[in-house]
This record gives sequence, structure tokens and C-alpha cells, in this order.
Amino acid sequence: NAGVTQTPKFRILKIGQSMTLQCTQDMNHNYMYWYRQDPGMGLKLIYYSVGAGITDKGEVPNGYNVSRSTTEDFPLRLELAAPSQTSVYFCASMARGGVGSPLHFGNGTRLTVT
Amino acid sequence: RKEVEQDPGPFNVPEGATVAFNCTYSNSASQSFFWYRQDCRKEPKLLMSVYSSGNEDGRFTAQLNRASQYISLLIRDSKLSDSATYLCVVNSYVYGNKLVFGAGTILRVKS
Repeated sequence: NAGVTQTPKFRILKIGQSMTLQCTQDMNHNYMYWYRQDPGMGLKLIYYSVGAGITDKGEVPNGYNVSRSTTEDFPLRLELAAPSQTSVYFCASMARGGVGSPLHFGNGTRLTVT
Repeated sequence: RKEVEQDPGPFNVPEGATVAFNCTYSNSASQSFFWYRQDCRKEPKLLMSVYSSGNEDGRFTAQLNRASQYISLLIRDSKLSDSATYLCVVNSYVYGNKLVFGAGTILRVKS
């Protein structure tokens, strides 16, 4: 059971380039999330999804897009990368949105935009 | 006011010490509470859920005070391996029932 898998682990982008961060989970979880974590800071929610075909913005969605065509996959798209998007990106999933459900995290993608 | 607030620390303690962290949350409707542990910017890992009556897991004890809207984590007999950042996590209805993370409290256990 792989849990939540993120690819790539590391990436360097030039300003203005675009890329997709991949996230897949094999636990049949309905809820999936993208967080970013800047150095010395807490996790901030970028986008989330409560099921296939449903996505919504979190706290810091600008500069990103997501899609959820299947239960397993929740890719995060960066268009026109900017230095402010240099961060560690974590994808997470949750079995359900009710009381007591913890998050399961992927290993993270470390992105540098120069 | 932030939804979840923690003292960033660092808390520097000797091995064997008892240390406690508090975390306050602003949304009185929150129902799910957790402590996560994060090592060196790796992914956060669930340490323990926090239940209304308080709960214990080995050397770790978590408490919830709904009236004052805070949760606490007590670590007894600290080990070097306990050195990490401890994240307080609370569910929030601001973004459709999401988990909101505090910025974390740094613990350094020294020999």
C-alpha cells in the first residue's frame, strides 16, 4: 500500500515556465488537498477536492490550478512560475471530512523558481 | 487573528525533561483536533488525535479545553528523538471543513 505518492521530489524552474506536480493516492480517499510550506512557516492550503470532479480554492490559490478527474489523482498545475512559488508542496488525502479523520501526506515536492 | 496559534519556540530541554505545548484556536465550531510531528521539512506525520476527555499514548498526553479553545501536548521523559516541530491541527469550516495547521512549535532535546 503506497499511500500518497508525489512526483517529482525536486524541481528547479525558470521564471515563466509551467509545470504539473503529480499526486496520487491508493487508499480510495475522497478528500484531497494541496498545501505549500515556506521556510519557517506553517502549511497553507492551496486547493482541495471533496471528490472526483469537485475542486475548490483554499487560502492561497493564486497562480495555481487543479483538476480531479479520478478519485486517485489530484495534480497541481503552476502556470507562469514566479520566485514567490519557491516552496515545499505537500499533497494529502483524507478518508472522509467528518470528525476525527486525519490527513495522510505525500513526501513533498521541493520546488525552486529562479 | 490566526485560526490556529502556537508558540514557535524553540523549547530547549534536557533529556528526561517534561515539556508542554499549548495551541489556541479561534473557531468555536471546530470538532477535530490533532497533533502532528514534522522533521526537517519532511512531510508531517500524525502524532495523535485529541479527544474531548483527553488521551494518552505512551509518553504523550493530549488535552482539549473547549471553554478556553486550546489544546495541549505534554511529553514526558523527553528523548533526543523527540526533537522536531510539533504542529497543532484543527478542522475549520472556513474552507468547507478543512484541517488548518498552526505554524508549529520547535522542540530541541539535548543530552
